[in-house]
Formats: sequence, structure tokens, C-alpha cells
Amino acid sequence: AQTVTQSQPEMSVQEAETVTLSCTYDTSESDYYLFWYKQPPSRQMILVIRQEAYKQQNATENRFSVNFQKAAKSFSLKISDSQLGDAAMYFCAYRTIQGAQKLVFGQGTRLTINP
Amino acid sequence: NAGVTQTPKFQVLKTGQSMTLQCAQDMNHNSMYWYRQDPGMGLRLIYYSASEGTTDKGEVPNGYNVSRLNKREFSLRLESAAPSQTSVYFCASSETVTYNEQFFGPGTRLTVL
Repeated sequence: AQTVTQSQPEMSVQEAETVTLSCTYDTSESDYYLFWYKQPPSRQMILVIRQEAYKQQNATENRFSVNFQKAAKSFSLKISDSQLGDAAMYFCAYRTIQGAQKLVFGQGTRLTINP
Repeated sequence: NAGVTQTPKFQVLKTGQSMTLQCAQDMNHNSMYWYRQDPGMGLRLIYYSASEGTTDKGEVPNGYNVSRLNKREFSLRLESAAPSQTSVYFCASSETVTYNEQFFGPGTRLTVL
């Protein structure tokens, strides 16, 4: 079974600075998808960014980018120019290519933005 | 277009009581899911329905039952609630094609006393 580990329960960053959230996963599959979800205090789960394992190019969405290291099974999220609205829980998630689209989540990282 | 809706938003039960959490989506998605979120543990899959008429167990199915009533609706039932089922419950839906994201409902906070 696949597992996802986020080793940083909490992180903080100054507004306008850059922060990187870590995620590692364990799988025997060669192809899969990886996601970062944001959960603000409203509890709503919001997709931030996604990566297909067969693509070598790292995904980017505006201020959000990933560093995908397939051999190391690492999938970190970099947030540039941090804003107060980025404060939230961030979850890394894994999804297999085959079969039902079940997501396996990490434990989450609480990100605080200091003004 | 409301996306994924869940009712109720909050619920308090006594041990042994039963209740059903309702979920509906208006995006014509084939697949629907129920997750629970506990502090420090992320979201864990309880049950899912890959398509109308099918349901399968996820990681933590014990104590729960589900019904895929039609393509839009997927309910989660607790027959005899236990304090260990105190959690936040999320419903999600997705299209059954590769690379599609799951869309989540706003969650139900359930407390079992």
C-alpha cells in the first residue's frame, strides 16, 4: 500500500518570503499522480497543484511550484512571495493511475504567515 | 452550480445513536468518496463509489455503511455511533478519467458523546 509522509507538522514564514513544504511517499508503482491541497480555516479542501509522475518537468501554478524527485520519492511544494491568505493546512496526496481514484493523504503541515 | 454539498454541517450524537450524512454533487461525476479527517492524521478514505451502483471499502470502513442512491447522491450511515467516530467527514467527487482532481464538500463536524 502507498504511504505519504509530511515530516513538518508546522512551518512559519515572513510575508513576501519563500517557504518549502516537504513530502515523501512510498510506492512500488512507476506511474501515478501527486497533489498538494490547501485547507484554510473554512475547512474547504482546495487543489493547489498537481504532478504526473511520468512528466519530468516540475509543475508550476503562479506562486506555487513543486520539486518532484521521482527516484527519491520526494514531492516538495515551494510557495514564493508568501501572502497572508496562504496561511492554511497543506496536504500532500498520492493517487494511483489504475482503478478508482482514491487519494492517500499525508498528515498535513500547518503554515503560518507572519506579517 | 453548487459543486459538492453536504448535510448537516454539524452534528452531536450520543453513543449508540444512528445517523446518515448526506452528500450530493451537481457536476455529473461518476465517482464519489467519503473521507474522515482526524487531528494529525490527514484524510483517510472510508468508502468510495467508482460509478453508480458500485461501492467499495476504503482504508477505514468499520462502523460505516454507504449507499449510492443515484449518480448525484452518496450517503454515509453510522448505525451505532461510537466516540471513536468523532471526526470531520468530507465527501468528494471526480470524473472517472485520468488526471482529474477530486472536488470536496465543506465537511461535516460530528461529535459522539
